[in-house]
Amino acid sequence: AQTVTQSQPEMSVQEAETVTLSCTYDTSESDYYLFWYKQPPSRQMILVIRQEAYKQQNATENRFSVNFQKAAKSFSLKISDSQLGDAAMYFCAYRSSNSGYALNFGKGTSLLVTP
Amino acid sequence: GAVVSQHPSWVICKSGTSVKIECRSLDFQATTMFWYRQFPKQSLMLMATSNEGSKATYEQGVEKDKFLINHASLTLSTLTVTSAHPEDSSFYICSARDRSGATEAFFGQGTRLTVV
Repeated sequence: AQTVTQSQPEMSVQEAETVTLSCTYDTSESDYYLFWYKQPPSRQMILVIRQEAYKQQNATENRFSVNFQKAAKSFSLKISDSQLGDAAMYFCAYRSSNSGYALNFGKGTSLLVTP
Repeated sequence: GAVVSQHPSWVICKSGTSVKIECRSLDFQATTMFWYRQFPKQSLMLMATSNEGSKATYEQGVEKDKFLINHASLTLSTLTVTSAHPEDSSFYICSARDRSGATEAFFGQGTRLTVV
């Protein structure tokens, strides 16, 4: 089974600064998808960014970008120009390309943004 | 587009009773829906996968007789917690896969269940 590891239970960043959240995963598959989800206090899961494993180019979505290192099985999330609204739990997730759309989540990183 | 609605958002029930949670895809047809459970300050754990018109597939350790899942149409899946006990108190979240083939499944807003 694939495992997803987020080694940072909590992170803190000052407003307007940049923060990087770490995620590593273990898989024997060559084709898969990786995601970062944000869960604010409302607990609604919000997709932040996705990465297809077959794509070498790192995904970006406005202030959010990833550093995808397939050989190292690493998938970190960089948040630039942090805003107070970025404060939330962030979950890294793995989806196999051939076993449906179920997600395997990491334990999450709680991000605190200070003024 | 791609809205998934869960109902109710929160529910309190007495120990020993059953409670039903609905998950609806509002603007797309969902061939597959997923049910997750999230304990406080923990991650989401997949409970089961339901496919329209067939029996749900449960993850190891999930009691299928306690957590009954029905996916009778392409827009509705239900999770019934039978004979609920305080240890079943949790946050339950569904997600739905669009049959047209979107890359990811879409999440409902979750249901907080408290058993007293």
